[in-house]
Amino acid sequence: DVQMTQSPSNLAASPGESVSINCKASKSISKYLAWYQQKPGKANKLLIYSGSTLQSGTPSRFSGSGSGTDFTLTIRNLEPEDFGLYYCQQHNEYPPTFGAGTKLELK
Amino acid sequence: QVQLKESGPGLVQPSETLSLTCTVSGFSLTSYNVHWVRQPPGKGLEWMGVMWSGGSTDYNSALKSRLSISRDTSKNQVFLKMNSLQSEDTTTYYCARDAFALDYFDYWGQGVMVTVSS
Repeated sequence: DVQMTQSPSNLAASPGESVSINCKASKSISKYLAWYQQKPGKANKLLIYSGSTLQSGTPSRFSGSGSGTDFTLTIRNLEPEDFGLYYCQQHNEYPPTFGAGTKLELK
Repeated sequence: QVQLKESGPGLVQPSETLSLTCTVSGFSLTSYNVHWVRQPPGKGLEWMGVMWSGGSTDYNSALKSRLSISRDTSKNQVFLKMNSLQSEDTTTYYCARDAFALDYFDYWGQGVMVTVSS
């Protein structure tokens, strides 16, 4: 199985700032990486797939980059609703595997 | 409007069988794949298995011997059964729709928390 290593585990930032979350695959997954946001009491939200394609409804302040084994989720100009948990997931091969998550907290 | 909703018991005895239902609306089970994913408290997400739109299934090799996924298309429901539950199976279980068979998940249920305890 492809192991996904996500960093940092925790991240503190203020509204208006920009942050980056990294995800590293144990082998090449081409461009096939998705990013999700998780918040208590809400369904997980798909933000980005295929590395950099924004899901319909994802604000343009979110962007994804990378290919092969190294990927980054960048959130520019943080809004209060952006704080929560973020997970990466490779969708290049079975089984789909996820990173351990990054908790984005208000500084 | 696409929706998925998990339902099932909140508490299961050790060694017993867990039965969960995912009820979907807004799409057809014969057109989209539905997956089960679980998340232990405070931990990451683990893919469990999939009901393909054509009716076949695939499972995580680590769970394959204990897991069964089935469906009733007339009721828009996908079922998960997992036997021989242990404390490490205490987790939140999610069902999720596969976006165009591209193996990422565009819609998720809110999840159901299951505790394995006597």
